Amino acid sequence: GNSVTQMEGPVTLSEEAFLTINCTYTATGYPSLFWYVQYPGEGLQLLLKATKADDKGSNKGFEATYRKETTSFHLEKGSVQVSDSAVYFCALSEQTSGSRLTFGEGTQLTVNP
Amino acid sequence: KAGVTQTPRYLIKTRGQQVTLSCSPISGHRSVSWYQQTPGQGLQFLFEYFSETQRNKGNFPGRFSGRQFSNSRSEMNVSTLELGDSALYLCASSLLGTLNTGELFFGEGSRLTVL
Repeated sequence: GNSVTQMEGPVTLSEEAFLTINCTYTATGYPSLFWYVQYPGEGLQLLLKATKADDKGSNKGFEATYRKETTSFHLEKGSVQVSDSAVYFCALSEQTSGSRLTFGEGTQLTVNP
Repeated sequence: KAGVTQTPRYLIKTRGQQVTLSCSPISGHRSVSWYQQTPGQGLQFLFEYFSETQRNKGNFPGRFSGRQFSNSRSEMNVSTLELGDSALYLCASSLLGTLNTGELFFGEGSRLTVL
């Protein structure tokens, strides 16, 4: 079956530091890959997505590249802000799975001023 | 436009009781899916409804059920509650339910505590 593995958290950084959150996946077909973010007390929001190999998703300074050869979709940001503090989830979906997302465990990010 | 609305936001039940949670999707969205979020298991897919039909189902026991109405609003029901059912239940809607071109819009969730 499908699975997503994220780096263990929590992650604590100082403002303006570089962020990397690792994500690897296992899938039977050719999935689409996503990063969702959950701010305290809120539901999940789509941060970025990539639908095929070598695609790069980007949004709000965050980037992730779909690497089929390493089955990875690592999230990066060059300079984090306090407002980026949240839980980040890597997820995948197969083309035939409708709205069925398989999520990673989530990584808690705290950015200190 | 209004986002995904879930009610109630918080509720407390005792073991053996049943609970019904409601979700109103974004206007025009025809797909509604439900997820359970717990500290131990993370986010797990429960089921998806599209045009009043269950299109996909996760690995949950039959105590978990759902339905969708003609206006796309959805409800999920959990019968004979167990302590392990304590969780945040998230509803998500999408236009057509095909993630490759669209995205899921999540509500803030209904937090269920079972005592």
